[in-house]
Amino acid sequence: DQQVKQNSPSLSVQEGRISILNCDYTNSMFDYFLWYKKYPAEGPTFLISISSIKDKNEDGRFTVFLNKSAKHLSLHIVPSQPGDSAVYFCAAKGAQKLVFGQGTRLTINP
Amino acid sequence: ETGVTQTPRHLVMGMTNKKSLKCEQHLGHNAMYWYKQSAKKPLELMFVYSLEERVENNSVPSRFSPECPNSSHLFLHLHTLQPEDSALYLCASSLWGSSGANTGELFFGEGSRLTVL
Repeated sequence: DQQVKQNSPSLSVQEGRISILNCDYTNSMFDYFLWYKKYPAEGPTFLISISSIKDKNEDGRFTVFLNKSAKHLSLHIVPSQPGDSAVYFCAAKGAQKLVFGQGTRLTINP
Repeated sequence: ETGVTQTPRHLVMGMTNKKSLKCEQHLGHNAMYWYKQSAKKPLELMFVYSLEERVENNSVPSRFSPECPNSSHLFLHLHTLQPEDSALYLCASSLWGSSGANTGELFFGEGSRLTVL
């Protein structure tokens, strides 16, 4: 049973527009949610996180929104830049472990 | 020195070979992890070591054998693997502690790409 799901395997966005990546989870005991970015042939790197007691966290062009009632979080990137093209993983923390989604490949088109 | 270093970056082995993957962290963390990444699948947690004790073993086949001699080093010993074990193996480290201020952030190495023939 997959506790963290990213239902869109890929997303294509024009440079300068907003990119919205989505993630759903099933376990209401998760206390933190994180987004990781991964380039080919590199390990994932941490991007932004949000505590389960918050509904929004912003860091520069990146904002994460959490809707606990819907068990849904999203990552907004605005404006999108070519260097944002990567695979984005959503992760949820519970019991000292991170559970990851399948990832969404984001492509930013010039 | 980068935070988490993995060697080798690429490994090709036959099904009867024995090889090892190595991970070293320079971040002063007290927990280390092995993850497996296969195409179009979530990152799969394989093993967790906290303070050099194995605290998680997610039903991984015995042909994968982890070793954590100290808090900075982690190995994954490989023996009689199958072609379906071909994947990117990622090592990560973190601070293992109380959940209050611990966001659970993991710091990953660049991965070891394993191909089993």
